[in-house]
Amino acid sequence: AQKITQTQPGMFVQEKEAVTLDCTYDTSDPSYGLFWYKQPSSGEMIFLIYQGSYDQQNATEGRYSLNFQKARKSANLVISASQLGDSAMYFCAMREGGTGGFKTIFGAGTRLFVKA
Amino acid sequence: SAVISQKPSRDICQRGTSLTIQCQVDSQVTMMFWYRQQPGQSLTLIATANQGSEATYESGFVIDKFPISRPNLTFSTLTVSNMSPEDSSIYLCSVVVRDAGSTNSNQPQHFGDGTRLSIL
Repeated sequence: AQKITQTQPGMFVQEKEAVTLDCTYDTSDPSYGLFWYKQPSSGEMIFLIYQGSYDQQNATEGRYSLNFQKARKSANLVISASQLGDSAMYFCAMREGGTGGFKTIFGAGTRLFVKA
Repeated sequence: SAVISQKPSRDICQRGTSLTIQCQVDSQVTMMFWYRQQPGQSLTLIATANQGSEATYESGFVIDKFPISRPNLTFSTLTVSNMSPEDSSIYLCSVVVRDAGSTNSNQPQHFGDGTRLSIL
């Protein structure tokens, strides 16, 4: 069965500094996708970045990058040059590529606080 | 991507009543899901809404409590039946838009803005 673990309930970072949000996963399916979402206090879910299990390079999207370590089964999100607007809840998610039918499971989330 | 409209955006309901949440997508999508997010918690998948057939429910969720309809590829409803205070949550509709060449695992899910439900 697939499983996602986020061990940091909350994180603080100084504005303009980088921060890493941890995510580990477990699956027996060799084909899977890893996603990060941001949920501000307004509640909407915003897709940030995707990493496929067969991707050779780490994914990047603007200030977001994904530190993918397949052997360790980790997919940490790195936010560079933090901004006050980055304060939000961040969820790591995974979908297996087999017959899972597009079902996606989410980690418990990490609340990020950016300090001015 | 897809634009997802969810109604109502919030509601306050009495114990024992039922509420139907609507989800409208601006394009035809194969995969549509309903999630629940309890206060301060992560998202939990309730069910996959299947077009033209019964929804596929996850462990801990049953059709009698959360009946789902999916009459076509752009619309679905979730009903929360016989509500109790424990049902106070955000309910989110979500879709996956399959592009040409996509696989099961590489398309992100897109979410509606959610329905904030409070039960008195």
